[in-house]
Amino acid sequence: GENVEQHPSTLSVQEGDSAVIKCTYSDSASNYFPWYKQELGKGPQLIIDIRSNVGEKKDQRIAVTLNKTAKHFSLHITETQPEDSAVYFCAATGANSKLTFGKGITLSVRP
Amino acid sequence: ETGVTQSPTHLIKTRGQQVTLRCSSQSGHNTVSWYQQALGQGPQFIFQYYREEENGRGNFPPRFSGLQFPNYSSELNVNALELDDSALYLCASSFYRGDDEQYFGPGTRLTVT
Repeated sequence: GENVEQHPSTLSVQEGDSAVIKCTYSDSASNYFPWYKQELGKGPQLIIDIRSNVGEKKDQRIAVTLNKTAKHFSLHITETQPEDSAVYFCAATGANSKLTFGKGITLSVRP
Repeated sequence: ETGVTQSPTHLIKTRGQQVTLRCSSQSGHNTVSWYQQALGQGPQFIFQYYREEENGRGNFPPRFSGLQFPNYSSELNVNALELDDSALYLCASSFYRGDDEQYFGPGTRLTVT
């Protein structure tokens, strides 16, 4: 089955700096890669996703890149703000729509 | 457009008991997936329901079962509760087409004592 790894487990950046979170996956058949943001006491919120036929996608301050050959994908957040502080999860799924999640990274944005 | 809702918010049960958790899918969605999230971990796939039938299952024992109703809402049932079942239970709704965007509810926090 699919295995998604996410490193590091914590990341601290200064407000206004960029943050990059990387994930790797094992199943070359995976074709959908969403990123979720989870704040304390809430369910995961879908913030951006990318499909395997696209290499990069951007939505305002957030972008995701996908390297199918190396089987890794990354979340880029520019001009970070304190409200970006949360736990971020990457996930991957194949045709069966089963999402396999990484363990999450806690992003702290220092004011 | 209403989002995904779950009930109850919190629940405390004793080992050996049974529990039922409920989920209402987002309007326009026909698929519900259930996930278990242990503290400090990512969500783990339990199973998915599409057209009222189980459509894929993760590595969970048969004492985890579910239902989907004609209005696409869903229930997760867990029998013979164990201490390790303590977790946040999340449901996610989507419109089934294979690589679906899944939208999560706020979850039900289950504590087994």
